[in-house]
Amino acid sequence: NAGVTQTPKFRVLKTGQSMTLLCAQDMNHEYMYWYRQDPGMGLRLIHYSVGEGTTAKGEVPDGYNVSRLKKQNFLLGLESAAPSQTSVYFCASSWLDSTEAFFGQGTRLTVV
Amino acid sequence: AQKVTQAQTEISVVEKEDVTLDCVYETRDTTYYLFWYKQPPSGELVFLIRRNSFDEQNEISGRYSWNFQKSTSSFNFTITASQVVDSAVYFCALRGAGGTSYGKLTFGQGTILTVHP
Repeated sequence: NAGVTQTPKFRVLKTGQSMTLLCAQDMNHEYMYWYRQDPGMGLRLIHYSVGEGTTAKGEVPDGYNVSRLKKQNFLLGLESAAPSQTSVYFCASSWLDSTEAFFGQGTRLTVV
Repeated sequence: AQKVTQAQTEISVVEKEDVTLDCVYETRDTTYYLFWYKQPPSGELVFLIRRNSFDEQNEISGRYSWNFQKSTSSFNFTITASQVVDSAVYFCALRGAGGTSYGKLTFGQGTILTVHP
């Protein structure tokens, strides 16, 4: 089993460009999450989903959009990248409220 | 709203010392779940333990132990006889099980632990 796979692992964008980060899980998990990690800020929740076709805003949703058209995939979009979106992005998934989240390996995004 | 606070930004200890990482949480849910994760220098996030709100039994796993106290909304983590390999960032997290927080998994800011030889 691959677990949680994030694509790409690294990316450099120019200000104003758009891109989509893909998160795929093969564990049939209901919940999926996108976080960003910045020095001293911990893991901040961007958006999350509690099931196929659902999405909800987290703590820092501005500048990002998400979609969960298929249960196994959770896409994070940046429509117009800004230098403030330079960060490491982590995707996670979990089965139920009571179960732990499994994380992807992270995507390092730099916006110049 | 739910919130997790890890007041200790960085802790530095010498090998074999005991160290406690503090975690305080806020939630309006009566049922909720607490987690601890470790992020070693390699960057991946490793699950350590989970606790549900109706089970206040403390847990010990080898050199690791966790103290959950609902009365003070705390879920502290102690490493006994620390080792250099324990050096990592440690995160506490909370997931509510009802209301508007349904499914939401919130992390604290993390505590950077450095264990010196």
